[in-house]
Amino acid sequence: DAKTTQPPSMDCAEGRAANLPCNHSTISGNEYVYWYRQIHSQGPQYIIHGLKNNETNEMASLIITEDRKSSTLILPHATLRDTAVYYCIVRVAGNTPLVFGKGTRLSVIA
Amino acid sequence: EPEVTQTPSHQVTQMGQEVILRCVPISNHLYFYWYRQILGQKVEFLVSFYNNEISEKSEIFDDQFSVERPDGSNFTLKIRSTKLEDSAMYFCASSRLAGGPGANVLTFGAGSRLTVL
Repeated sequence: DAKTTQPPSMDCAEGRAANLPCNHSTISGNEYVYWYRQIHSQGPQYIIHGLKNNETNEMASLIITEDRKSSTLILPHATLRDTAVYYCIVRVAGNTPLVFGKGTRLSVIA
Repeated sequence: EPEVTQTPSHQVTQMGQEVILRCVPISNHLYFYWYRQILGQKVEFLVSFYNNEISEKSEIFDDQFSVERPDGSNFTLKIRSTKLEDSAMYFCASSRLAGGPGANVLTFGAGSRLTVL
């Protein structure tokens, strides 16, 4: 499975867009990009996933570059409740175990 | 919104004791998982379960661990003889789909914190 690289931490002002980058330069054609987050010590929470097209849902937008080597998760209007560790995970489709890295610790500041 | 329910939320046990952690996955979900997170460390996969049998397990999931789906709703993780290093948060998760990209969309429970003394 492709390895991902994320910055260890980021800050974002409340109400502003949070843009969380992820590098996955070794991604293969059949691998999807999944984003999860973990608020404090709660269970991870699914956010969004995509293959090559940009995706949007009620939580976030996922922008995948044309070469698929990197992606950005966008929280359009970050709130204090979005403070969490965000994980970018690359996996093939199917019930293969998710592998969580260290993620990016996003701090939303009032 | 449907959720995965885990009990107990916190259990304290003595080293060498058996522990059973319980989970009620979302009712129409097909795949079930246990993950754990030692304090300050990454979330680690333990085991996946489908169609009443283990689908995949990690190196962590040794003979001390077992899983069971004793009825149509509960999914349990048993640790036979707990060690100090088993102290962690244990997360149950379930997936509605078996196959396809949506199969990696997991719903996690709030976790069971296990403290081994």
